[in-house]
Order: sequence, then C-alpha cells, then structure tokens
Amino acid sequence: HSALTQPASVSGSPGQSITISCTGSSSDIGDYNLVSWYQQHPGKVPKLIIYEVTKRPSGVSFRFSGSKSGNTASLTISGLQAEDEADYYCCSYENTRIEYVFGPGTKVTVL
Amino acid sequence: EVQLEEFGGGLVQPGGSLRLSCVASGFTFSNFWLHWVRQTPGKGLEWVADIKKAGIDEYYAGSVKGRFTISRDNARNSVWLQMNSLRAEDTAVYYCARDLSGSGSLDFWGRGTMVTVSS
Repeated sequence: HSALTQPASVSGSPGQSITISCTGSSSDIGDYNLVSWYQQHPGKVPKLIIYEVTKRPSGVSFRFSGSKSGNTASLTISGLQAEDEADYYCCSYENTRIEYVFGPGTKVTVL
Repeated sequence: EVQLEEFGGGLVQPGGSLRLSCVASGFTFSNFWLHWVRQTPGKGLEWVADIKKAGIDEYYAGSVKGRFTISRDNARNSVWLQMNSLRAEDTAVYYCARDLSGSGSLDFWGRGTMVTVSS
C-alpha cells in the first residue's frame, strides 16, 4: 500500500500537454521539497526526470516540468511526443517512517 | 561514464539468505549516498534502503527493517544488501542507484538483479 496516490493512466495527443498528480500528506510531500519523478519504458531501468520538486537533471528535455502545491506534486509533459509513452513514478521522503515512498505509477499513453 | 552493476541474485527458499553486491565506476564513489530499490515484475517501484557517504547511517523500509542490512566499502566502490529471513513477497528485481544530491534523487541505476524467493 503506497502512501502516495497517482492516477493509473493519463493520455494525450501528440503536441498536447498532460499533467500527472502525486498526492501525499503533510508527512511527505507537504513537508519536504524532496519529490522526484522517474520515467520507465517497458523493460528499461527507471530514469530520473525531475528532482527536488522542480529541478531537471542534465540532459532531460525542457518539456518535463515539476511543481508542488500543498500535499500534491505534479509532473507536466508539454508538447507530448510518442517517445513519452511510458510509466511515470513519483517519489517522496516520508518523515514518520523515515523512508522514501514511491507512488504506484501512472501509465502515459500517446494517442 | 557512470556505471553501476548488481550481482548476486538468484533463487532462494523462504527463510533463506542472499547477499547482493553492487560495484560502481566512473565517479567518486565516496561522495554519494547509495540506495537499493526493488520492483516486482510488472509492478511498481519500492524503496528498500539507503546508506550515507561514510557508511555510518543507514535507513530501511519498514517491510525489510530487521531482515536486510545495507553496507558499503568506499575503497572497493561497492555497496551490499544482506537479505535474511527472505519471504515470497521479497521476490523482485533489485536495483542499486546513486543519489544525486542526498535528497533521494536517484540519477543513475544499475540494470538490476532478480531475486526469487520460492520453495
């Protein structure tokens, strides 16, 4: 049972923007700016695309952006492309159990 | 080039033990926290444990606390995960990953090693 919730799936047409939410609590997302997002294509290793809520690692497309409001973090993919079709996981530090927790993942489909 | 490679996965009976290894190269190993993350085939990611740069502080997921131990040797660019009292629900691909900034931002991952707990 994940402490973070994400929509099971999100879809969009090429060129559109989509947003994936990640809802937690005041013990995790709400209390720390330690939210990261990972992209995973089938059979591949997860790839860090956003860290510390809004930061993009070197080499990650500017089309990926992160934000946070209260207990909910969000990942926005703008100018959706076929290669963006993948699973996306959020992750946050959680202070009551002193551990990191992943969301259940969101499958992004490009129509 | 940053590389992480895991070793030691396999088939083990419930209640048994297994020790996973992860060897790193291409960066100054002692400057980074390291994590283990697992993924059940076809399912989501689960954080398992992490260890700070000097190897003094370790943290564990509640599901493995008291059964798993993470350790590292900076001179050997290696991190280990000792897994005891294994259960069927520990079956997963285990990844080691580097923490970019000590904030749980895992910027490089190994390819993973499969652990199957079954009789």
